[in-house]
Amino acid sequence: GAVVSQHPSWVICKSGTSVKIECRSLDFQATTMFWYRQFPKQSLMLMATSNEGSKATYEQGVEKDKFLINHASLTLSTLTVTSAHPEDSSFYICSGRGGKYNEQFFGPGTRLTVL
Amino acid sequence: AQSVAQPEDQVNVAEGNPLTVKCTYSVSGNPYLFWYVQYPNRGLQFLLKYITGDNLVKGSYGFEAEFNKSQTSFHLKKPSALVSDSALYFCAVRDMTHTPLVFGKGTRLSVIA
Repeated sequence: GAVVSQHPSWVICKSGTSVKIECRSLDFQATTMFWYRQFPKQSLMLMATSNEGSKATYEQGVEKDKFLINHASLTLSTLTVTSAHPEDSSFYICSGRGGKYNEQFFGPGTRLTVL
Repeated sequence: AQSVAQPEDQVNVAEGNPLTVKCTYSVSGNPYLFWYVQYPNRGLQFLLKYITGDNLVKGSYGFEAEFNKSQTSFHLKKPSALVSDSALYFCAVRDMTHTPLVFGKGTRLSVIA
């Protein structure tokens, strides 16, 4: 299957700072990128969907001003958690959709810890 | 809207015994069904999928799943469990349009030696 990378794999930051997470599709063009959030021992919850060159569509209850998503190219999407707080601590997983069969491929995830 | 139910939070099985992890779904139209496995602090690993064709789908690591349209189920199975199969398993579904995958809550599989 196709490969999606995320960077960093883990990050610890102070409350009030902003953190950027990068998601790259390495061997395919991802026309659509998805960002999921996973709390401990829970399922993946979709946060937002973004199409290359367009504004992201956020799921209900997700603050778009807090979770800034940029999908500037067919191989790169970024999620910026602005003014992070401890409750933003979570595992963030990106997913790119594309390739021959327009499938979804998942990144390895980024563990964010806000102190 | 699509939805997935995984009725069991935890499944325990002895090594060497067959295992089943249950999944039922709800979707308008024909479903695209997936199983993923997640190890601690890791991303999702794709196991198998059903799009069309044979109802019995074979995937990675000896896993298989059977699509049952009348029961709207897509249970994951393996004939002989290994301790290394212990992990969190997610069932996911989407419809034929460009909607994102919707995940079940996950089932933790514990294989005991």
